[in-house]
Amino acid sequence: GAGVSQTPSNKVTEKGKYVELRCDPISGHTALYWYRQSLGQGPEFLIYFQGTGAADDSGLPNDRFFAVRPEGSVSTLKIQRTERGDSAVYLCASSSGGRSPLHFGNGTRLTVT
Amino acid sequence: GQQVMQIPQYQHVQEGEDFTTYCNSSTTLSNIQWYKQRPGGHPVFLIQLVKSGEVKKQKRLTFQFGEAKKNSSLHITATQTTDVGTYFCAGPPDSGYSTLTFGKGTMLLVSP
Repeated sequence: GAGVSQTPSNKVTEKGKYVELRCDPISGHTALYWYRQSLGQGPEFLIYFQGTGAADDSGLPNDRFFAVRPEGSVSTLKIQRTERGDSAVYLCASSSGGRSPLHFGNGTRLTVT
Repeated sequence: GQQVMQIPQYQHVQEGEDFTTYCNSSTTLSNIQWYKQRPGGHPVFLIQLVKSGEVKKQKRLTFQFGEAKKNSSLHITATQTTDVGTYFCAGPPDSGYSTLTFGKGTMLLVSP
């Protein structure tokens, strides 16, 4: 079946602009995660949804970052007033919950110029 | 907060040599998961260990979960060029949370 889909695959934006990154999880997966990964680093946790609600948003670096999952399926990560330090690959993953393994998408490479 | 550390950060071996990476958590884990990320790719799940002292094998790969459930290791016997990539361990704390904290990974290069 289809895996986790992330769009766009690449996004270049100017400092100060607003961006939205989309994640379409595997059908039926209740848990959805956002991570970001910088070069040479491991995935850094941002936020975790169980269904429609954010079960853990402790990884969001500041209030410029926000994520939603209104119908318990597709999720959007929103970044306001982007900064050059936000440049990274943003990874989305889904799972069937609990201890189930994560299935990652190919990521969105965000470049803030 | 929870921290997951991996050593070494990087290792370069000749094809046929063995390789081991170690993972240590600052807190007790409910389980440990291992992922592999090929260059330019995304992390792909390899295996999950749940029980204290558990050992699992996948062909040339042997995974171990420590008795205290705070550390783990991945050993590859007779590496091949297809083993190239970064290996990450990840685990949720043993406190009911499902959030996975990843280590920084060990990058493995294998020369033919």
